[in-house]
Amino acid sequence: QQQVKQSPQSLIVQKGGIPIINCAYENTAFDYFPWYQQFPGKGPALLIAIRPDVSEKKEGRFTISFNKSAKQFSLHIMDSQPGDSATYFCAASGDTGNQFYFGTGTSLTVIP
Amino acid sequence: NAGVTQTPKFQVLKTGQSMTLQCAQDMNHEYMSWYRQDPGMGLRLIHYSVGAGITDQGEVPNGYNVSRSTTEDFPLRLLSAAPSQTSVYFCASSPTTTGNTIYFGEGSWLTVV
Repeated sequence: QQQVKQSPQSLIVQKGGIPIINCAYENTAFDYFPWYQQFPGKGPALLIAIRPDVSEKKEGRFTISFNKSAKQFSLHIMDSQPGDSATYFCAASGDTGNQFYFGTGTSLTVIP
Repeated sequence: NAGVTQTPKFQVLKTGQSMTLQCAQDMNHEYMSWYRQDPGMGLRLIHYSVGAGITDQGEVPNGYNVSRSTTEDFPLRLLSAAPSQTSVYFCASSPTTTGNTIYFGEGSWLTVV
Protein backbone atom coordinates (compact mmCIF):
# COMPACT_ATOMS: atom_id res chain seq x y z
CA GLN A 1 0.00 0.00 0.00
CA GLN A 2 1.45 3.30 -1.08
CA GLN A 3 1.54 5.57 1.95
CA VAL A 4 2.13 8.67 -0.16
CA LYS A 5 0.54 9.02 -3.60
CA GLN A 6 2.22 11.37 -6.06
CA SER A 7 1.09 12.74 -9.40
CA PRO A 8 1.75 13.27 -12.21
CA GLN A 9 4.36 10.69 -13.13
CA SER A 10 5.91 13.07 -15.67
CA LEU A 11 5.56 16.71 -16.55
CA ILE A 12 6.83 18.85 -19.41
CA VAL A 13 6.67 22.64 -19.21
CA GLN A 14 8.11 25.57 -21.10
CA LYS A 15 10.75 27.73 -19.49
CA GLY A 16 9.04 30.26 -17.23
CA GLY A 17 6.04 27.99 -16.61
CA ILE A 18 4.86 26.88 -13.18
CA PRO A 19 4.89 23.10 -12.82
CA ILE A 20 2.80 21.74 -9.97
CA ILE A 21 3.35 18.32 -8.41
CA ASN A 22 0.76 16.89 -6.06
CA CYS A 23 0.94 14.43 -3.21
CA ALA A 24 -1.67 12.90 -0.93
CA TYR A 25 -1.40 10.87 2.24
CA GLU A 26 -3.70 8.99 4.60
CA ASN A 27 -1.79 8.63 7.85
CA THR A 28 -2.67 11.55 10.11
CA ALA A 29 0.37 10.75 12.28
CA PHE A 30 2.64 12.18 9.59
CA ASP A 31 4.00 15.54 10.70
CA TYR A 32 6.87 16.30 8.37
CA PHE A 33 6.60 16.60 4.60
CA PRO A 34 9.79 17.11 2.60
CA TRP A 35 10.39 17.33 -1.11
CA TYR A 36 13.51 15.87 -2.65
CA GLN A 37 15.12 16.69 -5.98
CA GLN A 38 17.14 14.10 -7.85
CA PHE A 39 19.34 14.64 -10.89
CA PRO A 40 20.33 11.70 -13.10
CA GLY A 41 23.06 9.58 -11.56
CA LYS A 42 22.80 11.32 -8.19
CA GLY A 43 21.10 10.68 -4.89
CA PRO A 44 18.01 12.65 -3.86
CA ALA A 45 18.68 15.93 -2.07
CA LEU A 46 16.36 17.86 0.20
CA LEU A 47 14.70 20.76 -1.60
CA ILE A 48 12.14 22.13 0.84
CA ALA A 49 10.03 20.78 3.70
CA ILE A 50 6.91 21.76 5.62
CA ARG A 51 5.16 20.86 8.84
CA PRO A 52 1.34 20.79 9.10
CA ASP A 53 1.11 23.86 11.31
CA VAL A 54 1.54 26.12 8.28
CA SER A 55 -0.32 26.14 4.96
CA GLU A 56 2.49 27.40 2.77
CA LYS A 57 6.26 27.61 2.75
CA LYS A 58 8.38 29.37 0.18
CA GLU A 59 12.10 29.09 -0.48
CA GLY A 60 13.28 30.97 -3.52
CA ARG A 61 11.29 29.78 -6.53
CA PHE A 62 9.98 26.69 -4.72
CA THR A 63 6.72 26.73 -2.74
CA ILE A 64 4.95 24.00 -0.81
CA SER A 65 1.21 24.35 -0.35
CA PHE A 66 -0.26 22.21 2.42
CA ASN A 67 -3.92 21.34 2.99
CA LYS A 68 -4.21 19.49 6.28
CA SER A 69 -7.94 18.79 6.05
CA ALA A 70 -7.58 17.27 2.58
CA LYS A 71 -4.32 15.54 3.51
CA GLN A 72 -2.66 16.89 0.41
CA PHE A 73 0.43 18.91 -0.32
CA SER A 74 1.95 20.19 -3.50
CA LEU A 75 5.16 21.64 -4.89
CA HIS A 76 5.07 24.70 -7.15
CA ILE A 77 8.13 25.85 -9.08
CA MET A 78 7.90 29.47 -10.10
CA ASP A 79 9.63 30.72 -13.26
CA SER A 80 10.90 27.22 -14.04
CA GLN A 81 14.28 26.86 -15.70
CA PRO A 82 15.88 24.07 -17.76
CA GLY A 83 18.18 23.45 -14.80
CA ASP A 84 15.10 22.43 -12.77
CA SER A 85 14.72 19.36 -14.99
CA ALA A 86 14.97 16.49 -12.53
CA THR A 87 12.91 13.91 -10.69
CA TYR A 88 11.01 15.19 -7.68
CA PHE A 89 9.89 13.06 -4.77
CA CYS A 90 7.51 13.98 -2.02
CA ALA A 91 7.79 12.20 1.30
CA ALA A 92 6.21 12.01 4.71
CA SER A 93 7.32 10.94 8.15
CA GLY A 94 5.76 10.91 11.57
CA ASP A 95 6.18 9.94 15.17
CA THR A 96 6.51 6.24 14.33
CA GLY A 97 10.22 6.68 14.01
CA ASN A 98 12.57 7.74 11.30
CA GLN A 99 10.74 5.99 8.50
CA PHE A 100 10.20 8.24 5.53
CA TYR A 101 7.58 7.20 3.02
CA PHE A 102 8.24 8.41 -0.49
CA GLY A 103 5.97 9.08 -3.42
CA THR A 104 6.70 7.40 -6.73
CA GLY A 105 8.40 10.45 -8.19
CA THR A 106 7.68 12.99 -10.94
CA SER A 107 10.03 13.45 -13.85
CA LEU A 108 10.05 17.13 -14.74
CA THR A 109 11.38 18.44 -18.04
CA VAL A 110 11.64 22.18 -18.59
CA ILE A 111 11.97 23.04 -22.27
CA PRO A 112 14.10 26.11 -23.10
CA ASN B 1 33.37 16.41 4.61
CA ALA B 2 32.42 13.38 2.47
CA GLY B 3 28.84 12.94 3.76
CA VAL B 4 27.42 9.52 2.84
CA THR B 5 29.74 7.36 0.78
CA GLN B 6 28.60 4.24 -1.04
CA THR B 7 30.68 1.61 -2.80
CA PRO B 8 30.67 0.18 -5.35
CA LYS B 9 29.01 2.57 -7.78
CA PHE B 10 28.24 -0.19 -10.29
CA GLN B 11 28.11 -3.97 -9.92
CA VAL B 12 26.97 -6.89 -12.04
CA LEU B 13 26.20 -10.13 -10.25
CA LYS B 14 25.16 -13.55 -11.37
CA THR B 15 22.02 -15.09 -9.91
CA GLY B 16 22.83 -16.80 -6.64
CA GLN B 17 25.97 -14.80 -5.88
CA SER B 18 26.27 -12.81 -2.69
CA MET B 19 27.75 -9.40 -2.19
CA THR B 20 27.91 -6.46 0.19
CA LEU B 21 27.15 -2.85 -0.60
CA GLN B 22 29.19 -0.61 1.63
CA CYS B 23 27.94 2.60 3.22
CA ALA B 24 29.82 4.99 5.45
CA GLN B 25 28.95 8.41 6.85
CA ASP B 26 31.23 10.89 8.55
CA MET B 27 28.56 13.12 10.10
CA ASN B 28 28.13 11.13 13.33
CA HIS B 29 24.50 10.47 12.45
CA GLU B 30 22.62 7.97 14.56
CA TYR B 31 20.08 6.98 11.96
CA MET B 32 21.04 5.12 8.78
CA SER B 33 18.94 3.39 6.19
CA TRP B 34 18.96 1.62 2.86
CA TYR B 35 16.48 2.28 0.06
CA ARG B 36 16.01 0.78 -3.33
CA GLN B 37 14.75 2.82 -6.26
CA ASP B 38 12.85 1.18 -9.08
CA PRO B 39 11.01 2.84 -11.99
CA GLY B 40 7.47 3.80 -11.00
CA MET B 41 8.01 2.60 -7.43
CA GLY B 42 9.79 5.52 -5.87
CA LEU B 43 12.14 4.88 -2.97
CA ARG B 44 11.34 1.90 -0.78
CA LEU B 45 12.93 1.31 2.59
CA ILE B 46 14.83 -1.97 2.94
CA HIS B 47 16.40 -1.81 6.42
CA TYR B 48 17.23 0.89 8.87
CA SER B 49 19.21 1.44 12.05
CA VAL B 50 18.66 3.94 14.85
CA GLY B 51 22.11 3.41 16.32
CA ALA B 52 25.05 1.04 16.61
CA GLY B 53 23.89 -2.49 17.37
CA ILE B 54 20.26 -1.79 16.44
CA THR B 55 18.66 -2.66 13.11
CA ASP B 56 15.13 -3.15 11.90
CA GLN B 57 13.23 -4.07 8.76
CA GLY B 58 11.61 -1.65 6.38
CA GLU B 59 9.07 -2.23 3.64
CA VAL B 60 11.06 -4.65 1.46
CA PRO B 61 13.61 -6.52 3.64
CA ASN B 62 13.48 -9.98 2.06
CA GLY B 63 16.76 -11.13 0.56
CA TYR B 64 18.83 -8.52 2.39
CA ASN B 65 20.76 -8.42 5.66
CA VAL B 66 22.29 -5.50 7.52
CA SER B 67 24.43 -4.94 10.56
CA ARG B 68 25.54 -1.83 12.43
CA SER B 69 28.69 -2.45 14.41
CA THR B 70 29.79 1.19 14.36
CA THR B 71 28.03 4.54 14.06
CA GLU B 72 29.78 5.20 10.76
CA ASP B 73 29.14 2.01 8.77
CA PHE B 74 25.97 0.30 7.62
CA PRO B 75 26.63 -2.42 5.03
CA LEU B 76 23.85 -4.09 3.06
CA ARG B 77 24.31 -7.76 2.20
CA LEU B 78 22.57 -9.57 -0.61
CA LEU B 79 22.51 -13.19 0.46
CA SER B 80 21.70 -14.90 -2.85
CA ALA B 81 21.17 -12.38 -5.62
CA ALA B 82 18.05 -12.62 -7.78
CA PRO B 83 17.14 -10.70 -10.94
CA SER B 84 14.37 -8.99 -8.94
CA GLN B 85 17.10 -7.30 -6.92
CA THR B 86 18.33 -5.42 -9.98
CA SER B 87 17.90 -1.85 -8.80
CA VAL B 88 19.58 1.33 -7.68
CA TYR B 89 20.40 1.26 -3.98
CA PHE B 90 20.72 4.37 -1.85
CA CYS B 91 22.15 4.59 1.62
CA ALA B 92 20.97 7.50 3.77
CA SER B 93 21.64 8.96 7.18
CA SER B 94 20.15 11.57 9.49
CA PRO B 95 21.13 12.96 12.89
CA THR B 96 18.15 11.99 15.04
CA THR B 97 14.59 10.84 14.74
CA THR B 98 11.56 12.26 13.00
CA GLY B 99 11.53 15.48 11.13
CA ASN B 100 15.18 15.69 10.27
CA THR B 101 16.72 15.88 6.86
CA ILE B 102 18.00 12.59 5.56
CA TYR B 103 21.14 12.72 3.48
CA PHE B 104 21.51 10.28 0.62
CA GLY B 105 24.59 8.76 -0.91
CA GLU B 106 25.10 8.83 -4.66
CA GLY B 107 23.72 5.35 -5.22
CA SER B 108 24.90 1.90 -6.22
CA TRP B 109 23.66 0.48 -9.52
CA LEU B 110 23.25 -3.28 -9.23
CA THR B 111 22.39 -5.62 -12.08
CA VAL B 112 21.70 -9.29 -11.44
CA VAL B 113 21.86 -11.50 -14.52
